[in-house]
Amino acid sequence: DTEVTQTPKHLVMGMTNKKSLKCEQHMGHRAMYWYKQKAKKPPELMFVYSYEKLSINESVPSRFSPECPNSSLLNLHLHALQPEDSALYLCASRGSIDGTDTQYFGPGTRLTVL
Amino acid sequence: EDQVTQSPEALRLQEGESSSLNCSYTVSGLRGLFWYRQDPGKGPEFLFTLYSAGEEKEKERLKATLTKKESFLHITAPKPEDSATYLCAVRSASGGSYIPTFGRGTSLIVHP
Repeated sequence: DTEVTQTPKHLVMGMTNKKSLKCEQHMGHRAMYWYKQKAKKPPELMFVYSYEKLSINESVPSRFSPECPNSSLLNLHLHALQPEDSALYLCASRGSIDGTDTQYFGPGTRLTVL
Repeated sequence: EDQVTQSPEALRLQEGESSSLNCSYTVSGLRGLFWYRQDPGKGPEFLFTLYSAGEEKEKERLKATLTKKESFLHITAPKPEDSATYLCAVRSASGGSYIPTFGRGTSLIVHP
């Protein structure tokens, strides 16, 4: 099973709201990622967690706050977002299945900021 | 700096019309080339990982091949349900982190 789940599927929020995105995997992967994707563009890396510690932050604004409570869960806390933050937010985990070391993506959360 | 260029940007095929998508890359030591399929509004779905020149992998109507400079995704007798954006990504030996570089994708439309 190579499933990564994300909730919610869709989220609409105002610029003053606080919300969270959730990602879960049960493949035993120890690296998890947050990406942001705009229409007709490739995924853009935001954060990387390795063994539950933040290893990479691609200069993401502080209104995005990641959290990794345990090896299976990844959260992205959102606060005071801007309309330009509207995008598809993707979670991925990385691990070795059948001898290949690969990222597996979740279905994404479609975020709209009003 | 790793670079990935996918061509064509968009491709329209008739059902049954075989074709190939191209992914050209420049990396300092390839540690994996990945193909994904992405449907509109959904996350990328993993298709293949290739590691060395000459390697080939197949899945249903799709076959991925790899040379030292590029990879091809061959689509044989496509069906309308093969319509999607196909993303190529590479991972290099530079740095210590597993951070793939993605191409901009090829949007494939297969007409019935």
